[in-house]
Amino acid sequence: DTEVTQTPKHLVMGMTNKKSLKCEQHMGHRAMYWYKQKAKKPPELMFVYSYEKLSINESVPSRFSPECPNSSLLNLHLHALQPEDSALYLCASSQAPLLHGSSGGGELFFGEGSRLTVL
Amino acid sequence: SQQGEEDPQALSIQEGENATMNCSYKTSINNLQWYRQNSGRGLVHLILIRSNEREKHSGRLRVTLDTSKKSSSLLITASRAADTASYFCATAFTGGFKTIFGAGTRLFVKA
Repeated sequence: DTEVTQTPKHLVMGMTNKKSLKCEQHMGHRAMYWYKQKAKKPPELMFVYSYEKLSINESVPSRFSPECPNSSLLNLHLHALQPEDSALYLCASSQAPLLHGSSGGGELFFGEGSRLTVL
Repeated sequence: SQQGEEDPQALSIQEGENATMNCSYKTSINNLQWYRQNSGRGLVHLILIRSNEREKHSGRLRVTLDTSKKSSSLLITASRAADTASYFCATAFTGGFKTIFGAGTRLFVKA
């Protein structure tokens, strides 16, 4: 069983809609991630939050807006999306890399994903 | 762009055979990880090998890392139909936030 919970599992939205994806973890992890995955492709990093602060934005279009209200929650707000944004959106968490010293990033714990379809 | 490239892209074997997947990467890393993904689901972490390690085992999994060649391999021994999934290598860099995934190998184990 995954300890990272993502809602909703499926979302269909029009290009003018505003919706949000939600992610929650209770493992005490202080780093949280959004990845986007198209069919038969690897996950692509979108955003990283560390200690509730945005640490990495991989040049993601502004129609995707991340938010980290507290150490357990991560949201992805969606507005004016395009059909090519249809994908599986994966949330992950990990211990903050600072705790690992020089060992770099540790194990990522993934949720089951939110399957987004933009019409 | 993705850091890692994997080969083969797809692999089909019989149950009981061994499966080997390879991963190459381009820049210096702190560690390399392997993940598994069943169709349309989240990724599951399998094993992590640090840059100063050469080989690591976990159950039926054996991972090697050659930093001079910037490559890693994942061996699954005595494969089972339940091992059918996509396998991704992922590399993490100094500072640790950025974990980038390779293209993946789709493994199909026939019963």
